[in-house]
Amino acid sequence: QQQVKQSPQSLIVQKGGISIINCAYENTAFDYFPWYQQFPGKGPALLIAIRPDVSEKKEGRFTISFNKSAKQFSLHIMDSQPGDSATYFCAAPARLSFGAGTTVTVRA
Amino acid sequence: DGGITQSPKYLFRKEGQNVTLSCEQNLNHDAMYWYRQDPGQGLRLIYYSQIVNDFQKGDIAEGYSVSREKKESFPLTVTSAQKNPTAFYLCASRSPAFHTDTQYFGPGTRLTVL
Repeated sequence: QQQVKQSPQSLIVQKGGISIINCAYENTAFDYFPWYQQFPGKGPALLIAIRPDVSEKKEGRFTISFNKSAKQFSLHIMDSQPGDSATYFCAAPARLSFGAGTTVTVRA
Repeated sequence: DGGITQSPKYLFRKEGQNVTLSCEQNLNHDAMYWYRQDPGQGLRLIYYSQIVNDFQKGDIAEGYSVSREKKESFPLTVTSAQKNPTAFYLCASRSPAFHTDTQYFGPGTRLTVL
């Protein structure tokens, strides 16, 4: 059973726009919230992660926002580029469950 | 150059055959994992191993088997009992660093049943 619920399933954004992906979790014992990026035909790779003692972490154009009270964490892709077109997964910190994935398409 | 290797990249299986997918890591990670990926379904856990000579079933273990005789290696056998094996298979290992909990994935093996 999935320990994290991810939405939306897919999204299309224009170049330069903002992509937002959400992930909801149930287990309040989780203490590490990662996002993985996967290109077609490749294995996923860690993109960015956050610990619950901070509400936001930014790495370049990628930002994680963490809302502990709502039990949600989100990935924001600012100034989206065609090279960001990929599938993004959130993961349960127990590492045994991934979200269903969000396919992001950035149109030039 | 550290990382995880999977072989072969593509594999074709006839009905009734067992096939073995290779996964090797030189990251000195204790934990290793096998996932299956189908379109639109994300990653589903097949088996995982926390230490050598020990492994546990994941959510979809039926029709699969594994072994963990060496820390570096975690091969997956897809048996004839797996009724729908066509999928993309991913192996991963986990960094033991406190509070990072990062999984490192191999490049995957695409298995097709003919």
